[in-house]
Amino acid sequence: NAGVMQNPRHLVRRRGQEARLRCSPMKGHSHVYWYRQLPEEGLKFMVYLQKENIIDESGMPKERFSAEFPKEGPSILRIQQVVRGDSAAYFCASSPRQGRTEAFFGQGTRLTVV
Amino acid sequence: DQQVKQNSPSLSVQEGRISILNCDYTNSMFDYFLWYKKYPAEGPTFLISISSIKDKNEDGRFTVFLNKSAKHLSLHIVPSQPGDSAVYFCAASGGGNEKLTFGTGTRLTIIP
Repeated sequence: NAGVMQNPRHLVRRRGQEARLRCSPMKGHSHVYWYRQLPEEGLKFMVYLQKENIIDESGMPKERFSAEFPKEGPSILRIQQVVRGDSAAYFCASSPRQGRTEAFFGQGTRLTVV
Repeated sequence: DQQVKQNSPSLSVQEGRISILNCDYTNSMFDYFLWYKKYPAEGPTFLISISSIKDKNEDGRFTVFLNKSAKHLSLHIVPSQPGDSAVYFCAASGGGNEKLTFGTGTRLTIIP
């Protein structure tokens, strides 16, 4: 049973370009979470999705960031017109159900904006 | 507003001894707590969890203690092994909210 798969592992974008980060949850998991880790900080929640639904996007910046989890295919975190401050490690996690359950994390995508 | 705090950024422990990592929280709605371990350039790995109806949970070398009145939890690792060297994150959820709120982490170094 493969774990949470994120790709790419490393992504370099110039300022103003778009970044697309992909996350395939563990088999059987229908809940996906995105977190961001800035240097020397903990992980900060961004968005929680179930298939075709955004459940909680309270941690998403109001502009330039969007996320989706379509019926088929991976979850996508999209950052438009990237700026240097978007440089961070982005982690995806999945869980099989709501409620008290551990979330399993992918290896992350390290985004560098130059 | 840091709702989950890990006040020790780093900790060094001799191999074979006990490692104790601490975590404090401020949000009384939190009712589920987890510890994750993270190696550089990898994602966090789940270690152990505890719900607020318990005050202790044990899994092998790892034990988590929860003191609700003090809003404090701790992770005990005994005996500590070199492979335990990593950054440890405390996380919490609750109040009908599924998201995890993480602390800033404690870097544990096990000295051979």
